[in-house]
Amino acid sequence: GNSVTQMEGPVTLSEEAFLTINCTYTATGYPSLFWYVQYPGEGLQLLLKATKADDKGSNKGFEATYRKETTSFHLEKGSVQVSDSAVYFCALSIIQGAQKLVFGQGTRLTINP
Amino acid sequence: SAVISQKPSRDICQRGTSLTIQCQVDSQVTMMFWYRQQPGQSLTLIATANQGSEATYESGFVIDKFPISRPNLTFSTLTVSNMSPEDSSIYLCSVSGQSFTGELFFGEGSRLTVL
Repeated sequence: GNSVTQMEGPVTLSEEAFLTINCTYTATGYPSLFWYVQYPGEGLQLLLKATKADDKGSNKGFEATYRKETTSFHLEKGSVQVSDSAVYFCALSIIQGAQKLVFGQGTRLTINP
Repeated sequence: SAVISQKPSRDICQRGTSLTIQCQVDSQVTMMFWYRQQPGQSLTLIATANQGSEATYESGFVIDKFPISRPNLTFSTLTVSNMSPEDSSIYLCSVSGQSFTGELFFGEGSRLTVL
């Protein structure tokens, strides 16, 4: 089946620290991969995506590279800000007749000033 | 990306009652999806709602508990029936992006608390 596994949180960092949130997946077929972000009190927003192997998605200083050989899509940011505090979800999508998005369990990130 | 509006944004409900959540999209979309996010948990797909046909429910979700309507290409409702405290969750409506790469866009969610 299809599944996504994220590093467990919560993660707490100081401002300007380097961030990595690990994400690995299991999928039948060739999924698209996504990172979504949920800021406090808000809905989910698409942060970035990659649709094929070796693609790099990027947005707001965040990056993630689709690694087929390691079935991974780790989220990175070189220097985090307090405003990056949120819950981050890794997800995959396979469109085979019906479209489905499968989410990881989410990682809560807190950035301290 | 589509603009998705949900009502109510939050509600406190009594055990045994039912509540209907509305989802309005600012453009016509073929498929709409309803997700549940239980406290501290990830998102779980409840059902896919296509206009003009019965909703397709995921394993563990049934029509009697979560009836869905999809009267046109911009609107859907999800009813949570005979609620219990275990139904306390955020319910999210979502639609597909236009690029056919599989991403979904979400409303801000409806946070239900069942007492």
